[in-house]
Amino acid sequence: DSGVTQTPKHLITATGQRVTLRCSPRSGDLSVYWYQQSLDQGLQFLIQYYNGEERAKGNILERFSAQQFPDLHSELNLSSLELGDSALYFCASSASGKNTEAFFGQGTRLTVV
Amino acid sequence: AQSVTQPDIHITVSEGASLELRCNYSYGATPYLFWYVQSPGQGLQLLLKYFSGDTLVQGIKGFEAEFKRSQSSFNLRKPSVHWSDAAEYFCAVVRSNDYKLSFGAGTTVTVRA
Repeated sequence: DSGVTQTPKHLITATGQRVTLRCSPRSGDLSVYWYQQSLDQGLQFLIQYYNGEERAKGNILERFSAQQFPDLHSELNLSSLELGDSALYFCASSASGKNTEAFFGQGTRLTVV
Repeated sequence: AQSVTQPDIHITVSEGASLELRCNYSYGATPYLFWYVQSPGQGLQLLLKYFSGDTLVQGIKGFEAEFKRSQSSFNLRKPSVHWSDAAEYFCAVVRSNDYKLSFGAGTTVTVRA
């Protein structure tokens, strides 16, 4: 158990819908990272937050957004969903913003039908 | 541009044989380097990391990796593989002036009896 909790584990939704994925980091970790894993794209970095502020941005679509709350949990919002958004979404956390050691959650498997 | 390259998509090795997985990175300065393992349906688990110092680092599960600056490589090795080592292995880097943890495409390891 990495200490990073992601909910839900599985999500099935229709095209055009909006979903929210939740991540609770390890106790004491200030950084949260979101990744998308798909067969064709591999592991893609989406976005990173550090202590509530956006720190780095990767290949995140405009239809996607994220935030980190004062209690340090994070949410990834995916809207206007398309079939191609079906993937495994991982959250990771680390103590510092330099990604010195990132711990990953079990992921949320999103299926868009 | 691809920051991390894992040249081997798939490797098959016999149980008890040695294993070496290759990883090359393309930054000018020395980045922070990591190897992660992902078992089917699971999140990513950190095997080992390199920040500075001794270029041969020991990790969990009997793995080790060697950083070679001249070759921009960080290859992962295990002297004798077990059937439970069958998984996907990811090399990852964080540039020293960046916060993004970037992953290679991964190498799938199959262990035959």
